[in-house]
Amino acid sequence: AQSVSQHNHHVILSEAASLELGCNYSYGGTVNLFWYVQYPGQHLQLLLKYFSGDPLVKGIKGFEAEFIKSKFSFNLRKPSVQWSDTAEYFCAVNPINDYKLSFGAGTTVTVRA
Amino acid sequence: SAVISQKPSRDICQRGTSLTIQCQVDSQVTMMFWYRQQPGQSLTLIATANQGSEATYESGFVIDKFPISRPNLTFSTLTVSNMSPEDSSIYLCSVVGGTGPYEQYFGPGTRLTVT
Repeated sequence: AQSVSQHNHHVILSEAASLELGCNYSYGGTVNLFWYVQYPGQHLQLLLKYFSGDPLVKGIKGFEAEFIKSKFSFNLRKPSVQWSDTAEYFCAVNPINDYKLSFGAGTTVTVRA
Repeated sequence: SAVISQKPSRDICQRGTSLTIQCQVDSQVTMMFWYRQQPGQSLTLIATANQGSEATYESGFVIDKFPISRPNLTFSTLTVSNMSPEDSSIYLCSVVGGTGPYEQYFGPGTRLTVT
């Protein structure tokens, strides 16, 4: 079974700072990769996804993520965060022919105005 | 993407009782999933609920504890049976949809507290 590791439990930033959240997975085969976000009081939303092709994917709200196959990583980035980016971020993977998602532990991001 | 609603949004229950959580989707979907998010932890898949067949449970979850129904392509229920405080969690349903075949969309969750 696959597993997902998120390196940071809690990240605190000031507005306009850059954000990078690490995500590594362990699985021997091809995977689909996702980042989900959960804003305070809201439900889980899909931020971006990677299935195949260009390893640099762009999502909503200025987020992007880069898939590095050799490192089994799918790190999330945003060049300049806003206070509204305060949320919990989850990395998730599933094998290419399986719908079952495995989630990382999540990273809480707090952006100070 | 599909619009998913869950009922109840939250509940406080006594140990030994059961709670049934409903998940309603605004369009027909083949695959539905139930997840649990324990306090301070990530999401864990409980089971896959497909219409017309028995639910498929993940390791550590059993039908007697978490019976699931899937009577049609827009609705599913998850029952948490004989509850204990360890069952206090957020329970979420999800469906497969969107532009990619493996994208999942989640309901708002049901926050369960067992006293």
